[in-house]
Amino acid sequence: EIVMTQSPATLSVSPGERATLSCRAGQSLRSYLAWYQQRPGHAPRLLITDASTRATGIPARFSGSGSGTEFTLTISSLQSEDSAVYYCQQYFTWPLSFGGGTRVEI
Amino acid sequence: QLQLQGSGPGLVKPSETLSLTCTVSGGSISSDSCYWVWIRQSPGKGLEWIASIYYTGSTYYNPSLKSRVTISVDTSKNQFSLRLNSVTAADTAVYYCARRPYYNGMDVWGQGTTVTVSS
Repeated sequence: EIVMTQSPATLSVSPGERATLSCRAGQSLRSYLAWYQQRPGHAPRLLITDASTRATGIPARFSGSGSGTEFTLTISSLQSEDSAVYYCQQYFTWPLSFGGGTRVEI
Repeated sequence: QLQLQGSGPGLVKPSETLSLTCTVSGGSISSDSCYWVWIRQSPGKGLEWIASIYYTGSTYYNPSLKSRVTISVDTSKNQFSLRLNSVTAADTAVYYCARRPYYNGMDVWGQGTTVTVSS
């Protein structure tokens, strides 16, 4: 199983600031990585697929980068509704695996 | 617009079988190049992938659950299902169904079904 490690566990950011979330894979994923946002009491929502492609309807302030084993999700100008837990997930190989999540507090 | 609706009992007794169904609306479960997926989230914890089934019928399981899990599709009802045998309190979680296009992230999610294992 590919272990996915996210850092930091919690990130406290002021509105309008930039947030940078990291995800590290135990082996190369090429670009087969997704990012999800989960607000309290809601199902996860796909933000980014293929490491850097925004999903349909996702605001441009969300961007993804990286390949291989190191990936980054950047939220360029945080808004109050961005308060959530963010997960990375690899789909390079079975079994699928998620990172432990980063909680973004605003 | 494709939507997923999970359903099933909210309470299951220890050692019994948990059965959940996800109904697909606004599209066909036989869509080319899509996986249908079950994921769960224990209280206060992260996301855990349980199983996937491809539109061809091929199945994939989390090794940690494989001995107790079965995923299946009923194309006549446009549904897919999860069975988890011999449940314990550790299986208490919110269970999500989702769609994953081939080599893509999970782009459509159900609302989640809360399952508690307790006598």
